[in-house]
Amino acid sequence: DAKTTQPNSMESNEEEPVHLPCNHSTISGTDYIHWYRQLPSQGPEYVIHGLTSNVNNRMASLAIAEDRKSSTLILHRATLRDAAVYYCILRVEYNFNKFYFGSGTKLNVKP
Amino acid sequence: GAGVSQSPSNKVTEKGKDVELRCDPISGHTALYWYRQSLGQGLEFLIYFQGNSAPDKSGLPSDRFSAERTGGSVSTLTIQRTQQEDSAVYLCASSTRWGNTGELFFGEGSRLTVL
Repeated sequence: DAKTTQPNSMESNEEEPVHLPCNHSTISGTDYIHWYRQLPSQGPEYVIHGLTSNVNNRMASLAIAEDRKSSTLILHRATLRDAAVYYCILRVEYNFNKFYFGSGTKLNVKP
Repeated sequence: GAGVSQSPSNKVTEKGKDVELRCDPISGHTALYWYRQSLGQGLEFLIYFQGNSAPDKSGLPSDRFSAERTGGSVSTLTIQRTQQEDSAVYLCASSTRWGNTGELFFGEGSRLTVL
């Protein structure tokens, strides 16, 4: 199974953009890139996913490198409520089992 | 709306006792997952159920762990003869088998403390 590499922690100032990187150099053609985040004392929640093209939703944007070996989750204006652990995950379309979470990136947002 | 429900939210038990953790998935979701999260760690996959197919038990750490899913809905994770290293938050998630995102919906977890 393809794995991902993320920095252990990052820090951001409130109302500034945040770019959370993820490396997935062994990604295969059928692997989707998913991002989840886990707020303190809660279960993870879905943020965004993509395959090849950049994606935008109400929560964030996902920028995927042309070779797909890396991606970046972009929070356009960080708020204190965005302080969480962010997980970058690869999953094969329609093969949902073994949905592996790594250690993620702990994002600290300073007021 | 009803999300994934887990019970109990907190469980304190003595070493050697058996515990049962319950997960009630979102209605209509055919896929159900159990994960374990030790303090300050990421999520560790335990087991996956999909409809009537045989579950993927490859993540269960030992034969003291078992899980079942009755009627394709409620699931119970059982830990026999608990050990201190079993202390963790046990998270359940469900999803539709098909769909745009295959998004996982997580419950708030059951925190297990083994004394």
